[in-house]
Amino acid sequence: QVTLTESGPALVRPTQTLTLTCSVSGFFLTTSAICVSWIRQPPGKALEWLALIDWNDDKYYSTSLKTRLTISRDTSKNQVVLTLTNVDPVDTATYYCGRIINCPLWTFDIWGQGTMVTVSS
Amino acid sequence: EIVMTQSPATLSVSPGDRATLSCRASQSVNRKLAWYQGKPGQAPRLLIYGASTRATGIPARFSGSGSGTEFTLTISGLQSEDFAVYYCQQYNNWPPMYTFGQGTKLEIK
Repeated sequence: QVTLTESGPALVRPTQTLTLTCSVSGFFLTTSAICVSWIRQPPGKALEWLALIDWNDDKYYSTSLKTRLTISRDTSKNQVVLTLTNVDPVDTATYYCGRIINCPLWTFDIWGQGTMVTVSS
Repeated sequence: EIVMTQSPATLSVSPGDRATLSCRASQSVNRKLAWYQGKPGQAPRLLIYGASTRATGIPARFSGSGSGTEFTLTISGLQSEDFAVYYCQQYNNWPPMYTFGQGTKLEIK
């Protein structure tokens, strides 16, 4: 069974760095044509794509956030990690990870349930 | 950036009836368009990809159509579990610059 599970802090202070982990099971991050992405959704707002890492460990970022984002993976743990530096209350959102098979031709087939992050002092 | 616009924002439909949801792209995305169902506290669920292909396990009452800039999701014979928020998403670009619509809330009339 394929699952993705997000984890991370529920509360982060402004200017701090947010680190989120996506733990995957049922597939391998190094399998050809597999990608994993992070997407977020602020309360009452649209989904926003953040970053993607592919099976070759190539990385891609949202243009608007690329200076603050880093995506990486630990294949021994089957985890994809996202860091967001210098957080602000506008970064308050539910953060999701999603898998893409047959990447880049297809889109997200499985998502995690998301983890809610609040940025507040 | 390709802007995705969904309409209406809220749609009230009676169980058993048909719902028609629209999604418009600011420029052509060919058929690289997906629809997702979102419910509170749950993972978004892929319904349709390639504008009209149902994802694995998705009932036939869900259908998608369109190409270029205009897309439609139709849900026939609405069931109670179908009342949710629906999002469209384009994936036409590589390197990726995926964008989503703001969602249509499908509520019980």
